[in-house]
Amino acid sequence: NAGVMQNPRHLVRRRGQEARLRCSPMKGHSHVYWYRQLPEEGLKFMVYLQKENIIDESGMPKERFSAEFPKEGPSILRIQQVVRGDSAAYFCASSPRRQGGNYGYTFGSGTRLTVV
Amino acid sequence: GESVGLHLPTLSVQEGDNSIINCAYSNSASDYFIWYKQESGKGPQFIIDIRSNMDKRQGQRVTVLLNKTVKHLSLQIAATQPGDSAVYFCATNSGGSNYKLTFGKGTLLTVNP
Repeated sequence: NAGVMQNPRHLVRRRGQEARLRCSPMKGHSHVYWYRQLPEEGLKFMVYLQKENIIDESGMPKERFSAEFPKEGPSILRIQQVVRGDSAAYFCASSPRRQGGNYGYTFGSGTRLTVV
Repeated sequence: GESVGLHLPTLSVQEGDNSIINCAYSNSASDYFIWYKQESGKGPQFIIDIRSNMDKRQGQRVTVLLNKTVKHLSLQIAATQPGDSAVYFCATNSGGSNYKLTFGKGTLLTVNP
């Protein structure tokens, strides 16, 4: 029973390039959450998605960031025209249904984005 | 705005001692609280949780205490082991949300052999 799979584990991009982070939820999980962790900070909520729907994107920066969770395939967090301030660890979590806290809320190992 | 903070950024203990990690939260609407452990290069790992209708909950070697009056919770680790060395985060459900978590900044626990 594979956990939440994120790839790549590490991603280096030059300023102005695009970054694509992928998240495959646990089998049977249809809800995905993305969080960002800046160095020496706690995780901050970005977006909550269900299959083909964005439920809550209140934590997403207004520009350059987008997320999707298509009917088939992984959830994608896309960052266009990356800047140094985007350097962070991006974590994905999934759950089988909309529930609070840890009820089925499992985190992946994250993608560490470095913008040079 | 809502915040979740920790009193100490680092904690160093001797192997076998008990560890206590503290956390304060600001939103009185939060009713679910979780402690996570994060090892280097990994994602947060659930340790223990507690709902606001309780003030204490115990797990294996861990205890969470919740004081709603002063909006404070703590994580106690008994007989701390080197494998417990990690960053520990408290988190709450933001304003009573059933899916969004607000995390504190974390406390780095170092266990000395």
